[in-house]
Amino acid sequence: KAGVTQTPRYLIKTRGQQVTLSCSPISGHRSVSWYQQTPGQGLQFLFEYFSETQRNKGNFPGRFSGRQFSNSRSEMNVSTLELGDSALYLCASRSRPGTPSSYNSPLHFGNGTRLTVT
Amino acid sequence: GQQLNQSPQSMFIQEGEDVSMNCTSSSIFNTWLWYKQEPGEGPVLLIALYKAGELTSNGRLTAQFGITRKDSFLNISASIPSDVGIYFCAGQLFGGTSYGKLTFGQGTILTVHP
Repeated sequence: KAGVTQTPRYLIKTRGQQVTLSCSPISGHRSVSWYQQTPGQGLQFLFEYFSETQRNKGNFPGRFSGRQFSNSRSEMNVSTLELGDSALYLCASRSRPGTPSSYNSPLHFGNGTRLTVT
Repeated sequence: GQQLNQSPQSMFIQEGEDVSMNCTSSSIFNTWLWYKQEPGEGPVLLIALYKAGELTSNGRLTAQFGITRKDSFLNISASIPSDVGIYFCAGQLFGGTSYGKLTFGQGTILTVHP
């Protein structure tokens, strides 16, 4: 079974630009989450989507947004890029959303998109 | 918000030695997970723990969900060079504003000398 696929693997953007990252979950997985990883802050939760609806959002500014399509694929967008947005952006999927009834549905991560803002 | 303290931050060991790392939290979790990340890759799930007191093994790896639900440890026995990487603990608390969110520890960098 193919894992979580993220594209592109590397991206270089300039301050003020916007960027869109793409994620294809493991086949059959309907829940997609996004995380930001930086040396200083570690792994930080961005948001989780299930059935095309955002179920939870982390403490990030409104410049960070996402969406999920009917085939469970997801995109995240960052507008008006800042130098501090340089990070590894990780997508993860699970078969069911993070509710108490599906507690034994752990997250599986992709290899990430390395974004560099100059 | 919830904070996870993972220790040690780094370990330098000889091949064949056993390794132990742990995570503590200021509040409880329903699930504890342990991931390993290697350069250029995303975190890979090693072990998932769902009940307080649960002890689970995966090959040479053993992890436990603390009885207070505020801590977890991971042991690696008879380390080998391919164990090199960064190990992360993560906790999940279901419901409310914690829906679907994993809180991660800062990571333990493991170096194994042949």
